[in-house]
Amino acid sequence: DSGVTQTPKHLITATGQRVTLRCSPRSGDLSVYWYQQSLDQGLQFLIQYYNGEERAKGNILERFSAQQFPDLHSELNLSSLELGDSALYFCASLAGGKGSYNEQFFGPGTRLTVL
Amino acid sequence: GQNIDQPTEMTATEGAIVQINCTYQTSGFNGLFWYQQHAGEAPTFLSYNVLDGLEEKGRFSSFLSRSKGYSYLLLKELQMKDSASYLCAPRGGYQKVTFGIGTKLQVIP
Repeated sequence: DSGVTQTPKHLITATGQRVTLRCSPRSGDLSVYWYQQSLDQGLQFLIQYYNGEERAKGNILERFSAQQFPDLHSELNLSSLELGDSALYFCASLAGGKGSYNEQFFGPGTRLTVL
Repeated sequence: GQNIDQPTEMTATEGAIVQINCTYQTSGFNGLFWYQQHAGEAPTFLSYNVLDGLEEKGRFSSFLSRSKGYSYLLLKELQMKDSASYLCAPRGGYQKVTFGIGTKLQVIP
């Protein structure tokens, strides 16, 4: 158990719909990263937040948005869903502080299926 | 930009040693991670190199050559549970980590 939680675990929806994925980082971690992993593909970086502010943006579509709240949990909103959005969505939080390598700890992921 | 090159698939025998190579190009360099990912599961941190040389951690070792943009992950005494994808992930400027597509390792009896 990495200490990063994600809900829901599975999500099945239809094209054109909107969904929200939720992530809670490990206690004390301020950074949250979102990744998309399609079948047999690598992890594609979407967006990073640090203490409530957007820090970096990757290959995130305009139909997708995210935010990080004061309690540090984060939500990824996916709208106007297309079949190609079916993927595993991972959230990761960044270890920091003395003795860490600033490695990322990943949540269990949300498997999104768009029908 | 960042480019990462790893073999797509490898097969090795239980009890053997396997070396997974990774070459990379980054804008800036702030270390390189290796992660293990079982199918359908989250990646888990294996190792980190920031200086040239070999870092050993039990059955797993990782090597880095910054001048060559090259790293490898060495797995010894392979076990069936080591069947997974292994992701090479260099960290570039602004602490940005990029993940390679990964090497799918199959361990056979």
